[in-house]
Amino acid sequence: AQKITQTQPGMFVQEKEAVTLDCTYDTSDQSYGLFWYKQPSSGEMIFLIYQGSYDEQNATEGRYSLNFQKARKSANLVISASQLGDSAMYFCAMRRRAVDNDMRFGAGTRLTVKP
Amino acid sequence: ETGVTQTPRHLVMGMTNKKSLKCEQHLGHNAMYWYKQSAKKPLELMFVYSLEERVENNSVPSRFSPECPNSSHLFLHLHTLQPEDSALYLCASSQDTQGWSQDGNTIYFGEGSWLTVV
Repeated sequence: AQKITQTQPGMFVQEKEAVTLDCTYDTSDQSYGLFWYKQPSSGEMIFLIYQGSYDEQNATEGRYSLNFQKARKSANLVISASQLGDSAMYFCAMRRRAVDNDMRFGAGTRLTVKP
Repeated sequence: ETGVTQTPRHLVMGMTNKKSLKCEQHLGHNAMYWYKQSAKKPLELMFVYSLEERVENNSVPSRFSPECPNSSHLFLHLHTLQPEDSALYLCASSQDTQGWSQDGNTIYFGEGSWLTVV
């Protein structure tokens, strides 16, 4: 069974600094996708970044980058130059294939950016 | 502006009421989902519709009844709910393909409907 683990319930970072949010996953499948979502207090789940299991390069999207280490089964999210608006819950998720209806989510990490 | 819109954003209902949550996606996707997010629990998949047909129902109580009249709209009908059903209900959509690409695998969520059962 798939399992997503986020070991940091809460993280603090100073404004303008970089922060890494950890995510490890467990699957026996070879084809899968890894995702990160941001959820502000308003509730909306905002898609941030995607990494395919066969992608050789780490995904980047603006200030977000994904540190993908396939052998270690980790997919850490790096946020550079943190902003106050980055304060939110962050969820790591995995989907095995396009035909796998369920996207499995981790428990989330609450990030607080300090001014 | 989100491509998946949900109404209402907030709903308070009594245990004997009947209400519905509405979701509309403007992304041209072929699959739609209902997820439940309770405090201190991971997101739970409730229902999946692919090409307007229900393909998955994760043992959800019958007091929740989904309806997908077309590929752009999804409803969740609520009847005789319990206080423990109070949660954030998230609608989502995706364009599912056999290939592996970001667009073909990403699930996009709406803003959610906060439900309180009293």
